[in-house]
This record gives sequence, C-alpha cells and structure tokens, in this order.
Amino acid sequence: AQRVTQPEKLLSVFKGAPVELKCNYSYSGSPELFWYVQYSRQRLQLLLRHISRESIKGFTADLNKGETSFHLKKPFAQEEDSAMYYCALSGYNKLIFGAGTRLAVHP
Amino acid sequence: DTAVSQTPKYLVTQMGNDKSIKCEQNLGHDTMYWYKQDSKKFLKIMFSYNNKELIINETVPNRFSPKSPDKAHLNLHINSLELGDSAVYFCASSPKPNYEQYFGPGTRLTVT
Repeated sequence: AQRVTQPEKLLSVFKGAPVELKCNYSYSGSPELFWYVQYSRQRLQLLLRHISRESIKGFTADLNKGETSFHLKKPFAQEEDSAMYYCALSGYNKLIFGAGTRLAVHP
Repeated sequence: DTAVSQTPKYLVTQMGNDKSIKCEQNLGHDTMYWYKQDSKKFLKIMFSYNNKELIINETVPNRFSPKSPDKAHLNLHINSLELGDSAVYFCASSPKPNYEQYFGPGTRLTVT
C-alpha cells in the first residue's frame, strides 16, 4: 500500500544549523514526490517537486529510490523557515501526505 | 487574483446545524479536492472531483456532501454538525489528478 512516513513530529534547531527533514515512502509504481510547507495559520504551498530538481529558499530534496526516501535539506536554517513541512506522494488520483514535521528554528 | 479561494474563512456553529463551505479556483484546473486538517495538523483527503465527476470519496460520513456545479467550483455541505467535525478544511485544485496541487486558505470550522 502507498504510504508516506515522516518520523519526526518536531525538529528543533538553532539559526544557522543544518536541517534535514526525513521522508520515506512506500509505493509500487514510479513515485512522484513533493514537499509542501505551511507557515503559521496559512495555506499549504508547494515547496519542491522531485522531477524539477530545483532549490527553493535554499531547500533541496533528492529522491533515493534505493532507500525509498525524499529527505528535505537546508545547509543553514533561518528563523523564517519555522513552519510545518509535509512530504507528499502522488498516485491513484490523489496526493498522499505524511503526518508532517514541525520545524522550529531558534535565534 | 487569488488562485484558490474559500468562504468563509471562519465558521462557528452549534451541534446539529447544517453548514456549507464554498471553494472557487481561477486556474483553469480540471481537478478539485477537499481535505480535513485536524488539531494535530494531520491532513486527510476527503473528496476529489475531476471535470465535475467524483473520483475520490474516502471514508467520510454521509453527512458530508460535496457538490461541483462546474469545474471552477467545489462546495462542501455538512449536515447535523458534530463536535468532531471541528477542524480546518482546505480546498485544493490541480491541472489533472496526480499533478501538484494548489491550496486555498482554509476554513476553520468550530462546532460548539
């Protein structure tokens, strides 16, 4: 069955520290993966999609099919990065979201 | 020129009432969705329409009924509201099913 796992509910770091938000997936076909971000009391916004291999706001994510992972990374966290981050897998006419990880960046 | 809009933004009502939430997108997308985000921030899909046809109906109580009068609109009607219905409801749209989705601002429903 298709599933997205984000093992950390909360990730707390200091400003300037590296960040890695973990995402593992289970999917029988060829996956299409996304990261969405939700700032406090705002709508979800698309942050990254794996097919475009882009870097947005300093974040990158690489699809590792061997480890079935799509971890989100940023070398130097900023306070404005504090938000909920959702990993999502596209398949069967819908996005399957992970439970989300709250990133808290402290000054 | 908001892409996906929802009304109302906040909705406070009593148990047993019937209420509706409206969603509109001006992106020309074929597919629209309703999600429920609970107090733990877990996001769960409820319904999806593609070209006005229902394509996803997750295990949602019959009290919830979506309606898509045209491709740009997907409304959610809820009958006999219960305390457990309190949540933030997000509408989203995508060009086609399985494509990236664009979300509305959410409707915070509080049932007292």
